[in-house]
Formats: sequence, C-alpha cells, structure tokens
Amino acid sequence: DVKVTQSSRYLVKRTGEKVFLECVQDMDHENMFWYRQDPGLGLRLIYFSYDVKMKEKGDIPEGYSVSREKKERFSLILESASTNQTSMYLCASLARLRLGEQYFGPGTRLTVT
Amino acid sequence: TQLLEQSPQFLSIQEGENLTVYCNSSSVFSSLQWYRQEPGEGPVLLVTVVTGGEVKKLKRLTFQFGDARKDSSLHITAAQTGDTGLYLCAGASGAGSYQLTFGKGTKLSVIP
Repeated sequence: DVKVTQSSRYLVKRTGEKVFLECVQDMDHENMFWYRQDPGLGLRLIYFSYDVKMKEKGDIPEGYSVSREKKERFSLILESASTNQTSMYLCASLARLRLGEQYFGPGTRLTVT
Repeated sequence: TQLLEQSPQFLSIQEGENLTVYCNSSSVFSSLQWYRQEPGEGPVLLVTVVTGGEVKKLKRLTFQFGDARKDSSLHITAAQTGDTGLYLCAGASGAGSYQLTFGKGTKLSVIP
C-alpha cells in the first residue's frame, strides 16, 4: 500500500513566522503535490513537482514556496505566515503513467494567529 | 478552464436508503477518479474510470463514466453509517498533465 505521511497533523503558528510542512511518500512516485482545502472552495493546487528539484506553480502559489531535494520528500514553505493561510494542507503523490490516481496524506490543519 | 460540478452539495439520508451523487463537466477527461474523505483526514481513492460508458462496482458502490467522458455518477445501495463522508470526483485531462480538476464534493450523512 502507498503511504504518504505529513510531518504534523495540527500546527499553530503566529503571523509572520516561517512555516515548514513536510511530506514523505514511500512508493517511489515521481510526482508530488501540495493542496489546500477550504470550506466552499474545495481542493486548490498550490505547487507540484514531477521530479527531484523540479517544481511547477499550481493555481494559488502566492505566499508559498516548495523544495524537493529527494524523490520521496516534498516540502511546503510559508515564508511569512498570514491569517489567510489558515487551512487544511494536503500532500499527494502520483506514479508516472497513472493519470489521476493520487494518494493523499492525512493532512495538516494549520492555524495562523 | 476545466470545471467539475458535483450535486448535490449536501445529502442526509436514513441508513438503508439508496442514493446517487453526480459529477458533471463540459470538458472531456481521460480518466475520472472518486475519492472519499472523512473529517480531519485526507481523501482516499475509491475508483478510477477510464472508458466512456464504463461501470465499476465496489461492494455497494457503483460508479459510472458517461459515454462522452464528461460526467460520472456514484450510486450507493443500502447506505450504512460508515458511508458518511465527503465524496470528491476528480478528472485528469491527460495530454501530459498530471494535474487533477476536483469537484467541490458532496457531503453525505447517513443517519442510523
């Protein structure tokens, strides 16, 4: 079974702090994704990566950056957290040639105060 | 921009009833996925449909992909309280893109 783990289930940070969210997958998947999920807005793609050191902006990249130094690990960075970044953050991975079959981690509920 | 519209947004039914959830788009998708998400957890993949007209069954759940590959439905027979959750459909456009277009979900509550 594919396993995607996220570093924290719940996180509380202050406005202006730098925040790191980490995601690790154990299935050697090439593609990894970061989403945020908000009531009424659904899942929105922040960034994705199709290979080590490669990244592409999603629909809402502003205020975020990412890092993929190793195949199994994809980090999301909030450079200066703001209250409007309070959300559920979900990481997903996908094997090449398996269009659409993304496997999600359990999510990180981030609150910025 | 591709959009997936799910209906209904909310559904509350008694245990034992049947229900159908719809996922519609004006765009063609190369594949369509259904996920279930429980509160505080990440979405879990239920099924992938690829061929127009395809029907897949997963115990009491029946998934259908429209002939034109623009829409899909999920039918649950004799709902159980364990079916409670948020059901999301997601479409892959293919053409070298690995991104998914997600619907906003149908929140199902099954009451004992």
